[in-house]
Amino acid sequence: GAVVSQHPSRVICKSGTSVKIECRSLDFQATTMFWYRQFPKKSLMLMATSNEGSKATYEQGVEKDKFLINHASLTLSTLTVTSAHPEDSSFYICSASRTAINYGYTFGSGTRLTVV
Amino acid sequence: SQQGEEDPQALSIQEGENATMNCSYKTSINNLQWYRQNSGRGLVHLILIRSNEREKHSGRLRVTLDTSKKSSSLLITASRAADTASYFCATARQGAQKLVFGQGTRLTINP
Repeated sequence: GAVVSQHPSRVICKSGTSVKIECRSLDFQATTMFWYRQFPKKSLMLMATSNEGSKATYEQGVEKDKFLINHASLTLSTLTVTSAHPEDSSFYICSASRTAINYGYTFGSGTRLTVV
Repeated sequence: SQQGEEDPQALSIQEGENATMNCSYKTSINNLQWYRQNSGRGLVHLILIRSNEREKHSGRLRVTLDTSKKSSSLLITASRAADTASYFCATARQGAQKLVFGQGTRLTINP
């Protein structure tokens, strides 16, 4: 089955530093991946759509310069939280799909980011 | 933005009972999907129902879709303690790949 690996699962960083989160599709190629943010006991909020070889498409209200997304290969997308602040603390989840429509998406196991 | 609304927001039942969760959405869709999330973990895909389908089964799961009412329901039969989790519906709009999630239902199965 389709497997998406997300790393790291937990990270604690100091305010002002940058953190990179990786999302890999292990057994399939993903031209498109998605990044979500989830607050405690809340739903998933789509942050951006990551397209292999091109710029990411960000949702309204998401700062492009704050959340840098790179999708350099068909199996890897990265999310970098730049100059992190405590309010960036959250659960970040990526997802990918084998094909565009009418197939379920596979999600990574998520990354718990704590900025201190 | 979230387009789905789910009810109830929280549901607590006894093991063995059936659990029903509902989801409503606002736009035309290609498909509707249900996912499960255990606390602090990623999401697991449960079932996908296409816009031209009305009902779908997978093991103890039964999903219905009413496109005229823009609503769906997820039924879990003969619930088990291990079914305790949050359940989310997600829709893929026509012509779009991205999923938009509902607010979720926190299901607790009491042994």
